[in-house]
Amino acid sequence: GQNIDQPTEMTATEGAIVQINCTYQTSGFNGLFWYQQHAGEAPTFLSYNVLDGLEEKGRFSSFLSRSKGYSYLLLKELQMKDSASYLCAVKDSNYQLIWGAGTKLIIKP
Amino acid sequence: GAVVSQHPSWVICKSGTSVKIECRSLDFQATTMFWYRQFPKQSLMLMATSNEGSKATYEQGVEKDKFLINHASLTLSTLTVTSAHPEDSSFYICSAPGLGDSGELFFGEGSRLTVL
Repeated sequence: GQNIDQPTEMTATEGAIVQINCTYQTSGFNGLFWYQQHAGEAPTFLSYNVLDGLEEKGRFSSFLSRSKGYSYLLLKELQMKDSASYLCAVKDSNYQLIWGAGTKLIIKP
Repeated sequence: GAVVSQHPSWVICKSGTSVKIECRSLDFQATTMFWYRQFPKQSLMLMATSNEGSKATYEQGVEKDKFLINHASLTLSTLTVTSAHPEDSSFYICSAPGLGDSGELFFGEGSRLTVL
């Protein structure tokens, strides 16, 4: 079966750095996405990785290792507004998106 | 960037009534739109794929007669929850793939349905 694993919840301090991991087992791979979802709102796109390596976009970076079936989202200089759920999603061989359950990130002052 | 608009944002209805939710792509054409449902503290669950000009493709376990999907134009897809019951109360979100190589999804604002 297809499976995406990410931690259920993480806590970090304002101004710090946090890394949210995602491991996947899917039938094929055509890219990995990270989305941010604030409570009661729809997800918003953060990043896309299709090749191995690190993609940096401001305070957020996303890393992919296809051989390990592994990705992480790195958030730097955390702000209170970063408190949200972070969803990892993989596009499989049929270009269907497989969603992880999301990681709820709690930022403390 | 691509904008997807969803309406209504929230709706309360009585059990047994039907509710229609609209999803529009405002600045691009979407031949495909996806309808998701999300229960509290759970991830997105794909309900169906809406295809312009043809029948929607439903995921296993989703009743097509209960969740009617119509994709009548390249910018509009609608989801009608028929004979709604309290267990249908949920957050319904539509999305459409963008035109870039990644095919990232652009989401509507979501519609929170409460069935009394």
